Amino acid sequence: DGGITQSPKYLFRKEGQNVTLSCEQNLNHDAMYWYRQDPGQGLRLIYYSQIVNDFQKGDIAEGYSVSREKKESFPLTVTSAQKNPTAFYLCASSITGSTEAFFGQGTRLTVV
Amino acid sequence: QKEVEQNSGPLSVPEGAIASLNCTYSDRGSQSFFWYRQYSGKSPELIMSIYSNGDKEDGRFTAQLNKASQYVSLLIRDSQPSDSATYLCAVAPNAGGTSYGKLTFGQGTILTVHP
Repeated sequence: DGGITQSPKYLFRKEGQNVTLSCEQNLNHDAMYWYRQDPGQGLRLIYYSQIVNDFQKGDIAEGYSVSREKKESFPLTVTSAQKNPTAFYLCASSITGSTEAFFGQGTRLTVV
Repeated sequence: QKEVEQNSGPLSVPEGAIASLNCTYSDRGSQSFFWYRQYSGKSPELIMSIYSNGDKEDGRFTAQLNKASQYVSLLIRDSQPSDSATYLCAVAPNAGGTSYGKLTFGQGTILTVHP
């Protein structure tokens, strides 16, 4: 089945630690995105990538980092510099030239 | 002013009624408009996309776009309890540029359909 897989579904992090969220897609989409959702709010763009080995900052990139070494994979690292990391993180992808984005099932990150 | 704003909720309608969800946007250059449905604890699911002025119907869902008024809406006919969810309006600039998938989301409207 084609789709976007995010792992883990739930993640707990101690303050001061970096954590990496995985996002893999087998849809052959060129573009991939990371969004963050806080309770009662819409989604905000963290980073996006339109092609392998290239990515751009979104609206709230501070405290996050990404890599795009393979077309299928777009991992997100939440660093200790991110002051309020507890949130629901969503990875999405789209085909080139389209703005229709399809989402993975999300990772819920909690700082303990 | 928020870039994408949705009517404040929550919205509660009886089963079988029409639910009307509204969204306004500030960027006149916006070209693509989407409605996502998000069940509690789940990821958003694309249910409608619309790109030109007028109505677009898909089953019980109708999306309406008025670019002059910078307004997009979603109508759900014959509402069912299974339609109870948060509905997110999303807007994107011209797809021909460098903004693939750079969606700007509204805050969402919670819809409850009661039997």
